[in-house]
Amino acid sequence: TQLLEQSPQFLSIQEGENLTVYCNSSSVFSSLQWYRQEPGEGPVLLVTVVTGGEVKKLKRLTFQFGDARKDSSLHITAAQPGDTGLYLCAALFSGGSNYKLTFGKGTLLTVNP
Amino acid sequence: DTAVSQTPKYLVTQMGNDKSIKCEQNLGHDTMYWYKQDSKKFLKIMFSYNNKELIINETVPNRFSPKSPDKAHLNLHINSLELGDSAVYFCASSPQGRQPQHFGDGTRLSIL
Repeated sequence: TQLLEQSPQFLSIQEGENLTVYCNSSSVFSSLQWYRQEPGEGPVLLVTVVTGGEVKKLKRLTFQFGDARKDSSLHITAAQPGDTGLYLCAALFSGGSNYKLTFGKGTLLTVNP
Repeated sequence: DTAVSQTPKYLVTQMGNDKSIKCEQNLGHDTMYWYKQDSKKFLKIMFSYNNKELIINETVPNRFSPKSPDKAHLNLHINSLELGDSAVYFCASSPQGRQPQHFGDGTRLSIL
């Protein structure tokens, strides 16, 4: 079984602070996706990273993919209350099925005004 | 113009009953999925279908029987419901495997 470790599990910060969420495995990813889920809704894709060392930016969110493709991070700059939600990383593993997305256990982020 | 729609949104029933959840996508995708999200928000794949064919069955009890009458629909029937089946069930779709998925808003199943 290929496991995806995500940390921290909970994060409560003040508006304006920065934060980083981590996702890693002992196995190589063929690709890594980040989703955000709000209460009562399904996860919504934020970004997909595929190439080792890749960095993608989405406004105040920066996503990095490790050179060895075994880890990824999500960094939020100057967090706002609207960023509150459950952040999920999800991986397709190298050599694994293209139809089996493995999710991390999620990071529940609360940004206080 | 909802992309992935699931019905019902809420399902409250007694142990031992049989129930079905329906899912439809209007995105023209070839691949559809069922996931289970537990009370700790852990999202786990149950089934993957591609062009109506079962690709992944992630050791789900055979009380759960998915059916895909066509590419746009993937329904989930559950027999003899147990307390441990209480969860939120999400349907999703993607153009093909490997590609990012679009999720429905979930069906909240509560077993009394």
